[in-house]
Amino acid sequence: DSGVTQTPKHLITATGQRVTLRCSPRSGDLSVYWYQQSLDQGLQFLIQYYNGEERAKGNILERFSAQQFPDLHSELNLSSLELGDSALYFCASSVESGTGVPYDNEQFFGPGTRLTVL
Amino acid sequence: AQKVTQAQTEISVVEKEDVTLDCVYETRDTTYYLFWYKQPPSGELVFLIRRNSFDEQNEISGRYSWNFQKSTSSFNFTITASQVVDSAVYFCALSEAGRIQGAQKLVFGQGTRLTINP
Repeated sequence: DSGVTQTPKHLITATGQRVTLRCSPRSGDLSVYWYQQSLDQGLQFLIQYYNGEERAKGNILERFSAQQFPDLHSELNLSSLELGDSALYFCASSVESGTGVPYDNEQFFGPGTRLTVL
Repeated sequence: AQKVTQAQTEISVVEKEDVTLDCVYETRDTTYYLFWYKQPPSGELVFLIRRNSFDEQNEISGRYSWNFQKSTSSFNFTITASQVVDSAVYFCALSEAGRIQGAQKLVFGQGTRLTINP
């Protein structure tokens, strides 16, 4: 158990709908990362938040958005869902280690949310 | 840009055979981290190892060993005396050491599906 929790575990919805995936990082971790694992694209980085601020963006669609709340949990919002959005969505959290640049991190992954769009 | 290549899409061996999973990476940074993750059929990502770019020593953990060679930009993973429980998808990943706190995404290879037959 990594200490990162994700809800729900499974989500089945229809095209055009909107869903919210939730992630609670490990206690004390300030960074939250979202990744998408699909059959055709593999494991891809979507977006990252650090202490409430967006820090990095990957191949995230405009229909997708995320935020990190003051209690450090994060939500990934997926709207106008398409069949191709069916995937396993992972959240990871990290603790910053080291005393300065370059920063070192080790990411701990949650169990994932399996989204099926019908 | 960072890139990780796992040229072997699928490998199938008989139990007790040794098997090596290849990983080749590209980065322009001099400080970076390499990872291996295991994804069993249940879907979660299990952390196996992290290695920084300054440590080229090979590592052994039980039946697992890793060979890091900067000269060839490779970080290969060997399982000795494979077992059926080793069947999974294995991912190699790269993270550049960040200059910005909380901004070290992982770039994953496409994964190698390893099947160990009894």
